[in-house]
Amino acid sequence: QSALTQPPSASGSPGQSVTISCTGTSSDVGGYNYVSWYQQHPGKAPKLMSYEVSKRPSGVPDRFSGSKSGNTASLTVSGLQAEDEADYYCSSYAGSNNVVFGGGTKVTVL
Amino acid sequence: VQLVESGGGLVQPGRSLRLSCAASGFTFDEYAMHWVRQAPGKGLEWVSGISWNSDNIGYADSVKGRFTISRDNTKNSLYLQMNGLRAEDTALYYCAEDYGDSSAFDIWGQGTMVTVSS
Repeated sequence: QSALTQPPSASGSPGQSVTISCTGTSSDVGGYNYVSWYQQHPGKAPKLMSYEVSKRPSGVPDRFSGSKSGNTASLTVSGLQAEDEADYYCSSYAGSNNVVFGGGTKVTVL
Repeated sequence: VQLVESGGGLVQPGRSLRLSCAASGFTFDEYAMHWVRQAPGKGLEWVSGISWNSDNIGYADSVKGRFTISRDNTKNSLYLQMNGLRAEDTALYYCAEDYGDSSAFDIWGQGTMVTVSS
């Protein structure tokens, strides 16, 4: 149960796009289409932004899009807005009723 | 739709604590549920999950053998029995609903803080 690997930080100017990677193994990210992404603002509970690799919950803007290739999943935020500045976490089902999170990425809007 | 955790507090190393999570506004007995924790200033860590009927249960290696997850569908409640607590268990503990059994957590509580210290 090793944590998924995310870059500690990412940044972009308003209107630009930023992509966050999430690297696992064939036992988690690569083995299942159960990758999720969460946004967390300081002092708040996480919010689900994407699930099952590329699906968006109701109410999440289509500026947020998830994808996966092999053992690496990605979340792209297009048309960056000030309110997108937050911590982002990926997670994946890892078999045997286990779930693993990534270490988190702090997104800064310049 | 709401999840409300309770039971956190300050506890000495080696002691026990039982967390509760009360669900409302959705059909609790149709969904798997999970506990996720976040140490101060750190990232999210999945702790444990339980299927709707309690048949399938999983634990993070860091808590296996010390923590026990359970649920009471008649009371719309989720529990986490934590034994042998360690300083590294200090964290904000969230309960979360599993969206469509896809290990995606779309409803979160506000969390209950557990501090393990002498």
